[in-house]
Amino acid sequence: GAVVSQHPSWVICKSGTSVKIECRSLDFQATTMFWYRQFPKQSLMLMATSNEGSKATYEQGVEKDKFLINHASLTLSTLTVTSAHPEDSSFYICSAIYQLEAFFGQGTRLTVV
Amino acid sequence: AQKVTQVQTEISVVEKEDVTLDCVYETRDTTYYLFWYKQPPSGELVFLIRRNSFDEQNEISGRYSWNFQKSTSSFNFTITASQVVDSAVYFCALSDKLYTGTASKLTFGTGTRLQVTL
Repeated sequence: GAVVSQHPSWVICKSGTSVKIECRSLDFQATTMFWYRQFPKQSLMLMATSNEGSKATYEQGVEKDKFLINHASLTLSTLTVTSAHPEDSSFYICSAIYQLEAFFGQGTRLTVV
Repeated sequence: AQKVTQVQTEISVVEKEDVTLDCVYETRDTTYYLFWYKQPPSGELVFLIRRNSFDEQNEISGRYSWNFQKSTSSFNFTITASQVVDSAVYFCALSDKLYTGTASKLTFGTGTRLQVTL
């Protein structure tokens, strides 16, 4: 299967700072990637759909200015959590589509202190 | 609106026992796709199976089997002779279309945490 790599795997940051998470498709091109958020012991909730070369599509209730998504190339999408606060602490996971299947990255655990 | 319900939050079994994870879904679409994913402690999601709404045949893959019943809107997952390595969170998910460029999102259930002990 295809490989989706997410970096970093975990990050701790201070409240008020920004954090960038990268999602790469290693052996295929992905015009569309998805960003999900998962709170402890809860389900994955779609945050936004990242489209290469155009603006991301955000789900209802997701702050566009807080969660900046950039899909600058066919193999890379980035999610930047701006002015992070403790309530942004969560597990963020991306996925990319390859041959009609969604492949997921290993996720990024963000802790804001 | 689409909805996926996994009523079992946690299941604990002893190795070699069989275990069934339940999944009930709601959708108004006539064409839809159902998925099961495994999330081990490391966090990544591992694809297990996809089933479309027109294919109600049950499927078996090794120790895994799936029972899709459209009449009850259920897509249950059974692990036979469970092993410790099966310990993970299992998610059932629903999509109204396959990823064909105009990609569709997955609606996930809340997951079932399976703990298999010796």
